[in-house]
Amino acid sequence: AQKITQTQPGMFVQEKEAVTLDCTYDTSDPSYGLFWYKQPSSGEMIFLIYQGSYDQQNATEGRYSLNFQKARKSANLVISASQLGDSAMYFCAMKGGYALNFGKGTSLLVTP
Amino acid sequence: DGGITQSPKYLFRKEGQNVTLSCEQNLNHDAMYWYRQDPGQGLRLIYYSQIVNDFQKGDIAEGYSVSREKKESFPLTVTSAQKNPTAFYLCASSSWDSKKETQYFGPGTRLLVL
Repeated sequence: AQKITQTQPGMFVQEKEAVTLDCTYDTSDPSYGLFWYKQPSSGEMIFLIYQGSYDQQNATEGRYSLNFQKARKSANLVISASQLGDSAMYFCAMKGGYALNFGKGTSLLVTP
Repeated sequence: DGGITQSPKYLFRKEGQNVTLSCEQNLNHDAMYWYRQDPGQGLRLIYYSQIVNDFQKGDIAEGYSVSREKKESFPLTVTSAQKNPTAFYLCASSSWDSKKETQYFGPGTRLLVL
């Protein structure tokens, strides 16, 4: 069975600073995909970034990057130059079979 | 614009009543999914469908039913057998063509029991 763990219930970061949101996972599958989603207060889940288990390089999408450490089974999200609009819940997820298994999320608050 | 729509945004259910949540996508995606989110929690899979006229139970299917008569539509019915239906319901879809099979989500429906 797959398991996603997000150990930080809440995080604070000052505007323009970088922040790292932690995600560890457990799986016995040799091939898997890891996703990060943002959920603002409106509720919609917004796809941010994807990392495949066989990808040679860490994924990057604009201000988002993924610090993927396969041996440690961690896939931390790094947000650079934080903006007030980044305040939201952030979920790490792993593709298991046909659906996604989600962590419990981290609430990020960006302060001026 | 391509995307996923869910309606209604808010839904109120009386005791013993069945209610149906709508999910429509115009992304030409083959696969569709229903998730439930409770406060302070991640999403849990209710049902998913890989192709038209076929669907599979997820982790928490009891008290729910679905149909997939059209590629674009995947409605979810919350039956009276679901004893704790108050939650946020999210529909998603994904494409087989994409290596990632990234799931894209609709805006969600909040269901409240009166």
